[in-house]
Amino acid sequence: KAGVTQTPRYLIKTRGQQVTLSCSPISGHRSVSWYQQTPGQGLQFLFEYFSETQRNKGNFPGRFSGRQFSNSRSEMNVSTLELGDSALYLCASSSKRDSYNEQFFGPGTRLTVL
Amino acid sequence: AQTVTQSQPEMSVQEAETVTLSCTYDTSESDYYLFWYKQPPSRQMILVIRQEAYKQQNATENRFSVNFQKAAKSFSLKISDSQLGDAAMYFCVLSGSRLTFGEGTQLTVNP
Repeated sequence: KAGVTQTPRYLIKTRGQQVTLSCSPISGHRSVSWYQQTPGQGLQFLFEYFSETQRNKGNFPGRFSGRQFSNSRSEMNVSTLELGDSALYLCASSSKRDSYNEQFFGPGTRLTVL
Repeated sequence: AQTVTQSQPEMSVQEAETVTLSCTYDTSESDYYLFWYKQPPSRQMILVIRQEAYKQQNATENRFSVNFQKAAKSFSLKISDSQLGDAAMYFCVLSGSRLTFGEGTQLTVNP
């Protein structure tokens, strides 16, 4: 079974631009969660989607948004990029809605904002 | 609010020796899971071991085992017979409505 895939793997943007990251979960997984990893803040939860509905959201500004499609693929969008948005963005999928189950992580998208 | 604390930013161990990584947590939920994930230089997050809070028996996975002290809210990871491939950042993670990650412990394995 193929693992979680994230595209693109690397991205360079400038301040003020917007960016869209994509995540394809493991086949059959309906839950997709997004995390931001930075050296200063560590790993922080962004949001979780299950069956096309956002079920949970972390403490991030409204510039961060996401969606999930009927095939469980998910996209994350960041508008009006700031230097502080430079981070590794990890996507994880799970077979069930709750976080008690193991989440399988993708390789991440490294976003650099100049 | 859930919190996870890893008080050891860095640890090192000699190959074939044993090392223990510490973790304490806090949660108001009665039902939760605890995990240890590792993140090698490739940045791929990999599950090492999982512990259900309702189980008193400590989880083990080959060379990896945990010491789960529910009353003390402590969850340490023991790696036996350390191998070079164990070198990574290790995260203690608490489940609930969402996953809460500790700050991580960077483990170095010396040959």
